[in-house]
Amino acid sequence: AQKVTQAQTEISVVEKEDVTLDCVYETRDTTYYLFWYKQPPSGELVFLIRRNSFDEQNEISGRYSWNFQKSTSSFNFTITASQVVDSAVYFCALITTGTASKLTFGTGTRLQVTL
Amino acid sequence: DADVTQTPRNRITKTGKRIMLECSQTKGHDRMYWYRQDPGLGLRLIYYSFDVKDINKGEISDGYSVSRQAQAKFSLSLESAIPNQTALYFCATSESHQGNEGEYGYTFGSGTRLTVV
Repeated sequence: AQKVTQAQTEISVVEKEDVTLDCVYETRDTTYYLFWYKQPPSGELVFLIRRNSFDEQNEISGRYSWNFQKSTSSFNFTITASQVVDSAVYFCALITTGTASKLTFGTGTRLQVTL
Repeated sequence: DADVTQTPRNRITKTGKRIMLECSQTKGHDRMYWYRQDPGLGLRLIYYSFDVKDINKGEISDGYSVSRQAQAKFSLSLESAIPNQTALYFCATSESHQGNEGEYGYTFGSGTRLTVV
């Protein structure tokens, strides 16, 4: 079985603060993919990043960065210098390889960025 | 046009009514999924279909049924809607790659917000 845990239900920060969203996953498979999605107030799911289990390099995209650590089964997401437009619900998700695999989501973290 | 289209976008219905949510895709993907999102619970899988002749229950299928009318169409039905089925529903598609299904991720529709009163 696979599981994704996002222990932070809601985070509030003031604009320009840095914020890290935690994601811990469980799987017995050695090959898998991890994802982050953003859900703004409008409701759609916006794909942010995909990372496979063999690539532990951290990734940076503008103000966003991701820290993947297999040793702790974590795939954390950091927003640097947060902005009001970053306010959204963020989901971490996991899929293993194999013909019957399905995408499993965490419960999400609601980020509120205020002025 | 969107790759994955869900209709309707919003719907309010009464308890006991039958309602169908529709999903169509232009991605040419074999696999289609229905998820339900509730606050604090994330997205949970209701039903999925790996091809036209394949339908499978997800973790929360009770009270729902589906129909895969064609490769491009996958409908979700609530036979007798109840208030705790009020939620945001997402349809998604993915490619079939033997043993490497995760690599390309899923394509999601914009969601259907359903309210049962």
